Amino acid sequence: AQSVTQLDSQVPVFEEAPVELRCNYSSSVSVYLFWYVQYPNQGLQLLLKYLSGSTLVKGINGFEAEFNKSQTSFHLRKPSVHISDTAEYFCAAYNTNAGKSTFGDGTTLTVKP
Amino acid sequence: DGGITQSPKYLFRKEGQNVTLSCEQNLNHDAMYWYRQDPGQGLRLIYYSQIVNDFQKGDIAEGYSVSREKKESFPLTVTSAQKNPTAFYLCASRLGPQVNTEAFFGQGTRLTVV
Repeated sequence: AQSVTQLDSQVPVFEEAPVELRCNYSSSVSVYLFWYVQYPNQGLQLLLKYLSGSTLVKGINGFEAEFNKSQTSFHLRKPSVHISDTAEYFCAAYNTNAGKSTFGDGTTLTVKP
Repeated sequence: DGGITQSPKYLFRKEGQNVTLSCEQNLNHDAMYWYRQDPGQGLRLIYYSQIVNDFQKGDIAEGYSVSREKKESFPLTVTSAQKNPTAFYLCASRLGPQVNTEAFFGQGTRLTVV
């Protein structure tokens, strides 16, 4: 069985500070990992994805994530956040054998002035 | 523009009624998914379809039904058997079930029981 755990349900941070949103996964098969962002009353948008190759993945809006196979983690980072980054962030793992994704419960990032 | 469209954006249902949520995509994707989102619970998979005329139950299929008669359409019916239907419903599509690309999401339908 596949599972995704987002370790923080809420992360408050001041504007221009760095942030890390933590995600651990477990799977008995190869997985492909994604981070999505959701603004209020909207669908999810892709931030970045890890499929293979370099373990440091860069995405949109200055976000990046590092795939760590030994720690089964895929933490999302941004060196300096803006007010507009306030949103819900979801980590997801996709299993091609099953043909479906497993999502974490989400992390609410609140950026304060 | 290619994309995935959900309608309506807001839907109100009386207890005991069935309602159908629409999901249409023009991305030529084979795989489509329905998720339910409740506060603090992330996304839970209701049903998914990997190809036309075929679909599988997800983790919380009870009280819901779907059809996949056309590649571009995957409507979800919330039946009267669903005891707590008030939630935000998201439809998504992916190029194919064995393709490791990202999912594309619609803007969601917020269903409220009145």
